[in-house]
Amino acid sequence: EAGVAQSPRYKIIEKRQSVAFWCNPISGHATLYWYQQILGQGPKLLIQFQNNGVVDDSQLPKDRFSAERLKGVDSTLKIQPAKLEDSAVYLCASRPREPPSTDTQYFGPGTRLTVL
Amino acid sequence: AQSVTQLGSHVSVSEGALVLLRCNYSSSVPPYLFWYVQYPNQGLQLLLKYTTGATLVKGINGFEAEFKKSETSFHLTKPSAHMSDAAEYFCAGDNTGKLIFGQGTTLQVKP
Repeated sequence: EAGVAQSPRYKIIEKRQSVAFWCNPISGHATLYWYQQILGQGPKLLIQFQNNGVVDDSQLPKDRFSAERLKGVDSTLKIQPAKLEDSAVYLCASRPREPPSTDTQYFGPGTRLTVL
Repeated sequence: AQSVTQLGSHVSVSEGALVLLRCNYSSSVPPYLFWYVQYPNQGLQLLLKYTTGATLVKGINGFEAEFKKSETSFHLTKPSAHMSDAAEYFCAGDNTGKLIFGQGTTLQVKP
């Protein structure tokens, strides 16, 4: 089966510009996550969706970050305006609703964002 | 609150030597535990996981880990390192439906 797809793979922008990332989870996976991975650190959860509803966005900087998952399939994460400290890899993950691996998250290749 | 700590941000071993990457968790409820590997410019790939049952779990590429509740540990081992094992390794815990990651350990394998 196809894995989690993300695009673009790399993005370079200047501070105060806006940027959007796209994620297409594994087919049939109900739960979708966005993580931020700053260089030298482990991934940190930004937002979790169950189908098209938000389960947890407590760590999402809502003054500049937004995310949506229309129709409960693919998702978009947007940053507007970007700051230097937003430079990171943005990882998307999905989790199946059916056994046997409902406890496991599957990750996409990530989008590496550089803010200049 | 749950936390995951990986001891040692960098580990260097010779090819053929034992690999030991350390992970401890802090939680009142033992979480599900995972080890992921990340190769340069790639996403995270699941190596192995502990949920319930046998405390010694085997994963891909010859890795294994043992869940020790008394020590709140889930260390990752491999008997003989290969050059292709050089990567970043992340330990993660989940007891709320969300993954909490350690800070990662970079494994260097010397020829």
